[in-house]
Amino acid sequence: DVKVTQSSRYLVKRTGEKVFLECVQDMDHENMFWYRQDPGLGLRLIYFSYDVKMKEKGDIPEGYSVSREKKERFSLILESASTNQTSMYLCASSFSPGQGSFAEAFFGQGTRLTVV
Amino acid sequence: AQSVTQLDSQVPVFEEAPVELRCNYSSSVSVYLFWYVQYPNQGLQLLLKYLSGSTLVESINGFEAEFNKSQTSFHLRKPSVHISDTAEYFCAVSATGGGADGLTFGKGTHLIIQP
Repeated sequence: DVKVTQSSRYLVKRTGEKVFLECVQDMDHENMFWYRQDPGLGLRLIYFSYDVKMKEKGDIPEGYSVSREKKERFSLILESASTNQTSMYLCASSFSPGQGSFAEAFFGQGTRLTVV
Repeated sequence: AQSVTQLDSQVPVFEEAPVELRCNYSSSVSVYLFWYVQYPNQGLQLLLKYLSGSTLVESINGFEAEFNKSQTSFHLRKPSVHISDTAEYFCAVSATGGGADGLTFGKGTHLIIQP
């Protein structure tokens, strides 16, 4: 079974802190994604990566950065956490059935981040 | 850019009744289509997918979806629902050639099964 593991289920951080959310996948997938999920807004793409050290901005990248130094690991960084970043964060990975394409994604359990 | 529209935010239905959850997409290129399910306090799980071939795809728990290219739709159906089907359902799309849009999700439909 594909396993996508997020380092924390729940996090509470203070405004202004630098926050790291870690995600690891064990299926050698090329693609990894970070989404945030908010009630009524569905899943919104923050960043994705299609290869080591490669990244693409999603729909809402402001206030976030990412790092992919190894194929299995994709980190989301909140440079200076703010209360409007309180949300559920979901990491996913997928393989590519064709050049650069995205097939089904496998999701982690999510990290519920609260910024106070 | 690609987008997904799930017209219904909530769908209440009685147990053992049929249900249809609607999904329409917008894209200028050919696409892959997916339905995901999220049970309370859990991550998303793939329910079914269309990559190529038959336009009617089925899941192991009785759901099916049909890709209709002319109507740009991928509606999800089940002939008889069970209490355990109560969950949030998300439709998603990605371009077959990849690209900067990644994997795009709709806002979700909450399926509420009434006894």
